[in-house]
Amino acid sequence: QVQLVQSGAEVKKPGASVKVSCKASGYTASNYFIHWVRLAPGQGLEWMAIINPGGGATGYAQRFQGRLTVTRDTSTSTVYMDLGSLRPEDTAFYYCAYSSGYYVFNTWGQGTLVSVSS
Amino acid sequence: DIQMTQSPSSLSASVGDRVTITCRAGQSIANYVNWYQHQPGKAPKVLISSTSILESGVPSRFSGSGSGTDFTLTISNLQPEDFATYYCQQSYSTPITFGQGTRLDIK
Repeated sequence: QVQLVQSGAEVKKPGASVKVSCKASGYTASNYFIHWVRLAPGQGLEWMAIINPGGGATGYAQRFQGRLTVTRDTSTSTVYMDLGSLRPEDTAFYYCAYSSGYYVFNTWGQGTLVSVSS
Repeated sequence: DIQMTQSPSSLSASVGDRVTITCRAGQSIANYVNWYQHQPGKAPKVLISSTSILESGVPSRFSGSGSGTDFTLTISNLQPEDFATYYCQQSYSTPITFGQGTRLDIK
């Protein structure tokens, strides 16, 4: 059974960057994907990015282009989300989620709260 | 981007009721719709995939239907643990998009 474990909560000032990790275990699919989804207070779920940990290919939502980077470390089965130029409206729970090629988010990490405040 | 328009945005119901949530896609997406439940303090959980496939462990009171652009999630015989926020999601193409969410409250 796939498990995703994320890094802990972060508090950042506007303009800073944050890097959240997501460590995967228990997966058997050779071709799988890790997505990043966030949930801001009073808002709905918002998809941010996708990475294929095997090959490293990535895709990003247009609104985050230029300040979001997703990478992976295959030796530790860990995916990283790096969001820069933080604004107060980036305050949210950030989740990683696992899918096969059908992009159904079968497994989620526990979420990481990122708070942005001066 | 494929817009997913979900309604209603909120809904009040009682234990034992039957409720329906709808989602309309901005273009035809075949059956590539999934439904999630989110409870405060927890990660979202997939309930239904590919419009109507009940995920393992999900009670049979949850069901999904539709095709093309119009999709529904139905919850029969509401239980106390069902009061949560529900989201549709299209997995037809990236960028993946979600509906705005439906908050289901106890009447």
